Amino acid sequence: SAVISQKPSRDICQRGTSLTIQCQVDSQVTMMFWYRQQPGQSLTLIATANQGSEATYESGFVIDKFPISRPNLTFSTLTVSNMSPEDSSIYLCSGITGGNTEAFFGQGTRLTVV
Amino acid sequence: GIQVEQSPPDLILQEGANSTLRCNFSDSVNNLQWFHQNPWGQLINLFYIPSGTKQNGRLSATTVATERYSLLYISSSQTTDSGVYFCAVQNNNDMRFGAGTRLTVKP
Repeated sequence: SAVISQKPSRDICQRGTSLTIQCQVDSQVTMMFWYRQQPGQSLTLIATANQGSEATYESGFVIDKFPISRPNLTFSTLTVSNMSPEDSSIYLCSGITGGNTEAFFGQGTRLTVV
Repeated sequence: GIQVEQSPPDLILQEGANSTLRCNFSDSVNNLQWFHQNPWGQLINLFYIPSGTKQNGRLSATTVATERYSLLYISSSQTTDSGVYFCAVQNNNDMRFGAGTRLTVKP
């Protein structure tokens, strides 16, 4: 199994600012993903973080709003840019070691935009 | 993309009761996992079960991949079982989540 440390665990931010969320994995993982969970909703995939190249975004999510970095196999960041109250959500990262293996999640970042 | 449906959406139980949560999916999958989301938002891995049956204490799960469904059984429920239970499936690489079942166990 992999342990994923995600920070910050929570934050309250002013609209118009940006927040960068970090995920550190204790072992190398093949794939890393970023999810958003709006209040009372399920998890929605934002993007797949690709090592050394641009992330692959799902429909409805764009790089300018959610830039993602993945410089190596154990670390990734997600930035929520130019925030508005609608961005208030839980953001979670996950990692898997291969296409048919168990996924593990970070503790989540609870973001409130005021 | 693949569709994941969970039922029931909400479930209220008396402590000690048993329950069954269902997950249907629309296409063949490589993996299936059950998670419990705690009140702080953290996802707790319950089962990694692409097929077959597994048990862990009061919880067990069965996935029938050929019929595209999975079941999560909770026996002798406790108040600490309350929360949202998610089924998630993996087809190729990314994982897709169902809408969840919100379980409330009353003392």
